[in-house]
Amino acid sequence: EAGVAQSPRYKIIEKRQSVAFWCNPISGHATLYWYQQILGQGPKLLIQFQNNGVVDDSQLPKDRFSAERLKGVDSTLKIQPAKLEDSAVYLCASSLTGYGQYFGPGTRLTVT
Amino acid sequence: TQLLEQSPQFLSIQEGENLTVYCNSSSVFSSLQWYRQEPGEGPVLLVTVVTGGEVKKLKRLTFQFGDARKDSSLHITAAQPGDTGLYLCAGADNSGYALNFGKGTSLLVTP
Repeated sequence: EAGVAQSPRYKIIEKRQSVAFWCNPISGHATLYWYQQILGQGPKLLIQFQNNGVVDDSQLPKDRFSAERLKGVDSTLKIQPAKLEDSAVYLCASSLTGYGQYFGPGTRLTVT
Repeated sequence: TQLLEQSPQFLSIQEGENLTVYCNSSSVFSSLQWYRQEPGEGPVLLVTVVTGGEVKKLKRLTFQFGDARKDSSLHITAAQPGDTGLYLCAGADNSGYALNFGKGTSLLVTP
């Protein structure tokens, strides 16, 4: 069974530029999550999708971050414009039940 | 947001030693999950505990969920270098899906 795929693995941009991350969850997993993990901390949930609907985006900085999950499969997370404090690893995860999430390898973003 | 505190933050031990890491909160969780994360990779699920007082074993790893479902511990017996990594605990809300993660315990096991 293929795992959660993410791309790109690394991205370096200048502040005020825009960036997009892509995620393909495990086939059949209806729930998809985006997390932000800053160095030295645990992952912080940004947004949770159930199929193509948003369940929780309370911690998503909506003035600069956006996410979509068209057709209830792949998802894209965008940052526009990026700030220095957005430097982090962005993790995508998916789940079939509430008893465990499966994470992708993450995208390491550096904003200079 | 339900706060999860993990201790110790860092742990460096030699191969063959035993260790315990803790995950504590003032909030009650519907379940608690433990993950291990290696550098450059995403977290990997180790176990989910659901019932207060529950104990689960995974080879040399023993997980316990507190009776009040507010805390958990992970005990590793005879640690090996392959156990090196960041151990994260995460508590699930009433929906069972949304997770709040602790900051993790960084474990280094040297030969």
